[in-house]
This record gives sequence, C-alpha cells and structure tokens, in this order.
Amino acid sequence: GAVVSQHPSRVICKSGTSVKIECRSLDFQATTMFWYRQFPKQSLMLMATSNEGSKATYEQGVEKDKFLINHASLTLSTLTVTSAHPEDSSFYICSARAWTDFNSPLHFGNGTRLTVT
Amino acid sequence: QKEVEQNSGPLSVPEGAIASLNCTYSDRVSQSFFWYRQYSGKSPELIMSIYSNGDKEDGRFTAQLNKASQYVSLLIRDSQPSDSATYLCAVNMDNQGGKLIFGQGTELSVKP
Repeated sequence: GAVVSQHPSRVICKSGTSVKIECRSLDFQATTMFWYRQFPKQSLMLMATSNEGSKATYEQGVEKDKFLINHASLTLSTLTVTSAHPEDSSFYICSARAWTDFNSPLHFGNGTRLTVT
Repeated sequence: QKEVEQNSGPLSVPEGAIASLNCTYSDRVSQSFFWYRQYSGKSPELIMSIYSNGDKEDGRFTAQLNKASQYVSLLIRDSQPSDSATYLCAVNMDNQGGKLIFGQGTELSVKP
C-alpha cells in the first residue's frame, strides 16, 4: 500500500518553456503532498507543501510564480515549472502521507529528472 | 546551525561489518524520526521510523534515538554490498505542520 506515482520520470525541455509534473496517490487520499528538489550530490530540499483545495505553502527562497502548484483533488497534485531555465534542471520528487497523522512517514514518488537545454 | 546534520562521508566498511550512521537535529519538540535509503538516481525509500527513546530493531537495521541529546543513529549489521547507498536522516518538524526535513545524507560504501 501507500503508493505514490509520479509522471513523467524524465523530461527534457527548451529554455523558456513550461513543464508540468503530476503526482498521484494511488491507494490512499492525500490532503497534503510535499514537493522536494534535489541537485546532484545534495540532499532533498523541501520546496512547498501542497494542500488540497487551498493554496500551497512555499519554503523561503522558492518562487511561487515560477513553481506553480495545484492540488485539485485528494489524489492529485501538480507542479508546473514555468519559463524553465538551465538552472532549474534538477530531480523533483513528490511525497505524501498515507494517514492524517503527520507523525507517519512520507512515501515518495519515483521522481522526475528535468533537464532544461 | 542546520536543522538536521549528518556526516556526509563517504563511509566505507568491509562486507559483514557493522555500519554506523549518525544524525543530530536542532528542533527539541520533534517527535518522529526516519531513516531513508537512496540509491543513485532513485527516490528515497523508507528503512526505519522511530518515535521513542531507545533502540528499535528491524532485521539487520537498528535505529537509536536520544531526544535529550537530539541524536539519532542507524546501525546496519552484517553489511552487504547491496547496502551501498546514501542514507538520509529525516526529522518531522512537528511545530511546522509536519514538514519532513532531511539531512545532507551519508554515503555508505560496503566493500566485498
């Protein structure tokens, strides 16, 4: 149980274009999902908390107008990287908890490797 | 001070030895702690969760928690080459809506 599906797994786009990444909880409902970004040889950095039916909460230093998050249902959150640039190339990973108890662990999607040329 | 700190390594141990991974955290109110394993190019996978002071064992893995010292560790017994990965310590920020904050990870290499 507690499967998180992320799509696409890999995407290459040109500078200036936008890319949408989908994150789905397959066998549970997730009122909250978390989006992380990981650069090579670095740890996971939390970008934002996605809340179903309301605005996302962004971490300090993350541009909300550049990284658009939509959490329209209890099983789907999307991250759109707008006007992507080479410095946005990274590994983006979504996660969710299978239970409402926020002491329970996060389950991660397989990640999306974004390359901006 | 970083919220969650780990030695980045690399930590190299021979096959069959015990690997010891350490982590300290800054938020005294945190109540839940996790160890994740991440292979190169893959997303993290949960190994252990621990909530109470003391030891928690699961197969070859033992997590240890000392809230007074704000210290969490992971022991891997009978290390195997397949255990070679980056191990991430994660701490739940209970007073920040349950955000999970990760340490920088310790790279473990188990030599045959």
